[in-house]
Amino acid sequence: DAGVTQSPTHLIKTRGQQVTLRCSPKSGHDTVSWYQQALGQGPQFIFQYYEEEERQRGNFPDRFSGHQFPNYSSELNVNALLLGDSALYLCASSTGTGVTDTQYFGPGTRLTVL
Amino acid sequence: GQQVMQIPQYQHVQEGEDFTTYCNSSTTLSNIQWYKQRPGGHPVFLIQLVKSGEVKKQKRLTFQFGEAKKNSSLHITATQTTDVGTYFCAGRGAGGTSYGKLTFGQGTILTVHP
Repeated sequence: DAGVTQSPTHLIKTRGQQVTLRCSPKSGHDTVSWYQQALGQGPQFIFQYYEEEERQRGNFPDRFSGHQFPNYSSELNVNALLLGDSALYLCASSTGTGVTDTQYFGPGTRLTVL
Repeated sequence: GQQVMQIPQYQHVQEGEDFTTYCNSSTTLSNIQWYKQRPGGHPVFLIQLVKSGEVKKQKRLTFQFGEAKKNSSLHITATQTTDVGTYFCAGRGAGGTSYGKLTFGQGTILTVHP
């Protein structure tokens, strides 16, 4: 039973560029959440997708957008990259109502913006 | 918005000593989750507390949820070198704009000296 997978593992971009990160949820999970974890900080909630729609959103600008596909996999897109976007981007999958569900995190994508 | 504060930020202990980290939310929570993140790794789910005053144990780990559902603690008895890592609490909002959203604390970094 495969866990949550993310690609790529590492990514280096320059300011102003755009990036797409990918996530495949754990088998049997239908909900995907994305988090940004800056160095030395806790993960910050970006948004959550369920049934191919954004169900909840944290305090992130519109430069951050996402998508969920019919097979429940998801993408996170970030436009007009800033230096401050450098972080570990974590995907977490779950199943349930979203209130008491347990989240399983993937290994993350380390994004460096130069 | 909802804020979750976690103390202490760092804790250094000798192997065999006990360790406690505390978590406080600015708003009432519907539930609280605890995660452990090893250096270079991703958060791994430990436990979820839902009921007011709930206490759960996992071997040497004891988790408590406050009566008001605004605070929580994790206590490790007789630490081992395998306990090294960052421990995060994550509170799920019970109402308003925070409803259903998971907010992580800053984490407590635990180091254990053999």
